[in-house]
Amino acid sequence: DAGVIQSPRHEVTEMGQEVTLRCKPISGHDYLFWYRQTMMRGLELLIYFNNNVPIDDSGMPEDRFSAKMPNASFSTLKIQPSEPRDSAVYFCASTAIPDTQYFGPGTRLTVL
Amino acid sequence: KNQVEQSPQSLIILEGKNCTLQCNYTVSPFSNLRWYKQDTGRGPVSLTIMTFSENTKSNGRYTATLDADTKQSSLHITASQLSDSASYICVVSVNNNDMRFGAGTRLTVKP
Repeated sequence: DAGVIQSPRHEVTEMGQEVTLRCKPISGHDYLFWYRQTMMRGLELLIYFNNNVPIDDSGMPEDRFSAKMPNASFSTLKIQPSEPRDSAVYFCASTAIPDTQYFGPGTRLTVL
Repeated sequence: KNQVEQSPQSLIILEGKNCTLQCNYTVSPFSNLRWYKQDTGRGPVSLTIMTFSENTKSNGRYTATLDADTKQSSLHITASQLSDSASYICVVSVNNNDMRFGAGTRLTVKP
């Protein structure tokens, strides 16, 4: 398996623009997680899905952030409008059971 | 206050030496504690996972210990290699998907 796939790997955008991050989990994994990592705050769980249903989105910072999982092989994290403080590395992870999570390579987002 | 504190923040050691990283937590109760290794520019990779009833778990040259009474865990790296240079993150799970992350220890192994 190719592992968790994320795209793009790098994204540079201007404040106010919409940003969409994409994730393809490992086939057969029922859980999908979105994380954000910054130097100041470390890793933070934003939201996770089980069987394509959002279970806990309490980590989503504000209404500008939204996540969807239309099917078992695809998820998106959208930021609209983006702000400079959203600059971070965003990771997607998946797992078959609530145990070891497999992380993707991350998307480095820079909002100017 | 972060519920998972890691120390030291950073560490530099010579290749071949051993080192121990610490993780103190206040999360209670918890279901498991994990150590992740994160290479620069990559996502974290799981090293070990322990339930509250386990007190040691090994993965090659990595050995994690857990003292649930004192709420402390350590990650011991034996005979360090240059490839061990990375950040090591301690994660304590309240339940399977409610996780509290430490800030990590940045380890540099020098030749």
